Amino acid sequence: QVQLQESGPGLVKPSETLSLTCTVSGGSVSSSSYYWGWIRQPPGKGLEWIGNIYFGVSTSYNPSLESRVTISVDTSKDQFSLKLSSVTAADTAIYYCAREVYGDYAAFDYWGQGILVTVSS
Amino acid sequence: DIQLTQSPSFLSASVGDRVTITCRASQGISSYLAWYQQKPGKAPKLLIYAASTLQSGVPSRFSGSGSGTEFTLTISSLQPEDFATYYCQQLNGYPVTFGGGTRVEIK
Repeated sequence: QVQLQESGPGLVKPSETLSLTCTVSGGSVSSSSYYWGWIRQPPGKGLEWIGNIYFGVSTSYNPSLESRVTISVDTSKDQFSLKLSSVTAADTAIYYCAREVYGDYAAFDYWGQGILVTVSS
Repeated sequence: DIQLTQSPSFLSASVGDRVTITCRASQGISSYLAWYQQKPGKAPKLLIYAASTLQSGVPSRFSGSGSGTEFTLTISSLQPEDFATYYCQQLNGYPVTFGGGTRVEIK
């Protein structure tokens, strides 16, 4: 059974960098069958795709965040990470990591439980 | 970006009702559409992928249809555990986008 678990600080100061890690168990971030992605959800609002990483090297980002986002992977630990720089209160959200199936049957089939990150001084 | 418009944004229904939610894409996305259910405080759960394929373990009262720009999620007989928010998602191109959600509440 695949499991994903987000970790990182729950409080980040404005203008600083938000850093989160997703640990994958029961699967490999090196697999060619999956993307590994981040999605966020401001409290009480809808879902926004942030970006993903494929096969440990290829990344895609939401253009609305691209200038501030970096997603990377640590294959030795089966972890992937999100960095979002220059955060503001608008970046306050629940951040989810998820596995995305690659190909014709694309979908996010496994999700982490989510981590609330608040941007505040 | 491909915009997804869900309707209705809110619906009130009774146990046993047949419920249909629509998702319209701003351009054709073939069958690269998924549906998710989200309950308060929980991560979204995959229900349907490739527009009409039921995810393993999801009850058969859920079904999806459509292709191109118009899609539907149908719950054939609403159960108490189905009261939640439902989102469609397109994976035809980047950026991946979600619909605004449909909240299903008890009448």
